[in-house]
Amino acid sequence: GAVVSQHPSWVICKSGTSVKIECRSLDFQATTMFWYRQFPKQSLMLMATSNEGSKATYEQGVEKDKFLINHASLTLSTLTVTSAHPEDSSFYICSASGQGENTGELFFGEGSRLTVL
Amino acid sequence: QQPVQSPQAVILREGEDAVINCSSSKALYSVHWYRQKHGEAPVFLMILLKGGEQKGHDKISASFNEKKQQSSLYLTASQLSYSGTYFCGTETGYGQNFVFGPGTRLSVLP
Repeated sequence: GAVVSQHPSWVICKSGTSVKIECRSLDFQATTMFWYRQFPKQSLMLMATSNEGSKATYEQGVEKDKFLINHASLTLSTLTVTSAHPEDSSFYICSASGQGENTGELFFGEGSRLTVL
Repeated sequence: QQPVQSPQAVILREGEDAVINCSSSKALYSVHWYRQKHGEAPVFLMILLKGGEQKGHDKISASFNEKKQQSSLYLTASQLSYSGTYFCGTETGYGQNFVFGPGTRLSVLP
């Protein structure tokens, strides 16, 4: 089946630094990718929808200058947490929507846990 | 390891009930339920934490049996708007081994 890979799985960084998380569709082309974050005992909260070659659409309350999303190709979307602070520590997960025979199906990455010290 | 969902697909008439099951081979910390419309991001329905929770809103409810590592989503008196793919997601701990099931496609016909 279709595979979506996230990297890194775990990252620890110092406050004030920027962190980039990659989301790759390994065996299919993803026209649309979604980024979520999750806090303890809560479910995934959609942060933004990114479409290949265009600007991401952010959900209300999500700072677009804080969470930079780039979807430069049909197989890669990146989320950059800029000037990270401890409150940005969270679990981030991406999902990708397929094309062709996978059109409309949604495939999830493994997630990335960010800890900001 | 991905949880198992059953059935894979179900077709209902408006007003009928449905149950979607989700089971895991691992001890679970939580179970999440989402509904996805074609081409849209999944919409969160509810989260159940270990402790045998049962939740519900409107005519959609769910139960979580942590001993059996199973959760069921109950849709009663289904409406046309219930159509979509339902995913369960499971965790063995907060942010640990977060895996979504393959989805159950639900179609509600008039």
